[in-house]
Amino acid sequence: NAGVTQTPKFQVLKTGQSMTLQCAQDMNHNSMYWYRQDPGMGLRLIYYSASEGTTDKGEVPNGYNVSRLNKREFSLRLESAAPSQTSVYFCASIAGFGEAFFGQGTRLTVV
Amino acid sequence: GNSVTQMEGPVTLSEEAFLTINCTYTATGYPSLFWYVQYPGEGLQLLLKATKADDKGSNKGFEATYRKETTSFHLEKGSVQVSDSAVYFCALRTGGTSYGKLTFGQGTILTVHP
Repeated sequence: NAGVTQTPKFQVLKTGQSMTLQCAQDMNHNSMYWYRQDPGMGLRLIYYSASEGTTDKGEVPNGYNVSRLNKREFSLRLESAAPSQTSVYFCASIAGFGEAFFGQGTRLTVV
Repeated sequence: GNSVTQMEGPVTLSEEAFLTINCTYTATGYPSLFWYVQYPGEGLQLLLKATKADDKGSNKGFEATYRKETTSFHLEKGSVQVSDSAVYFCALRTGGTSYGKLTFGQGTILTVHP
């Protein structure tokens, strides 16, 4: 019973490098979200996908792109990483009444 | 827009003390309300929820009542344990199953000492 699987768990990038964070869920949920968590800031929504084939910006979308590849997978891409993107990234899959199931997180450091 | 405001932390308690973490919200429509907990090094997990006014959510000794008149959803526990040390997030969701966004408060750090 995997739930929400995020990869990788840790990553160090140099400024300007690109990478894709992967997220997959096996609960047949329509909605999937990407958040970043910074100390003292709580969770901030980057992008979300209400259903397969749709994506929308959240509070802090600049510097990121997303792809909802199919119902299971929702990836987050950093095209040119910046130190300000050092954070912990969480993917979440949302059930009908709004209960969110979170992945374990990706700890990203940009140097 | 929707917003959630939690009491500022961190909160430090001794074991067996009473816990209250305040949460108030602003929302259009009739939101569902949630408390999530995050243990060190882990993702968030649902602690309890309430989907309509006057509902009480409860789990693991924690309780919260959906108060529409005061737009509040305060988290309480009668006797905390060291294992309750974590970050607690209040959240709300409005809209339908396909397009309602989940909005989180800023989180409250709870530390319980033996």
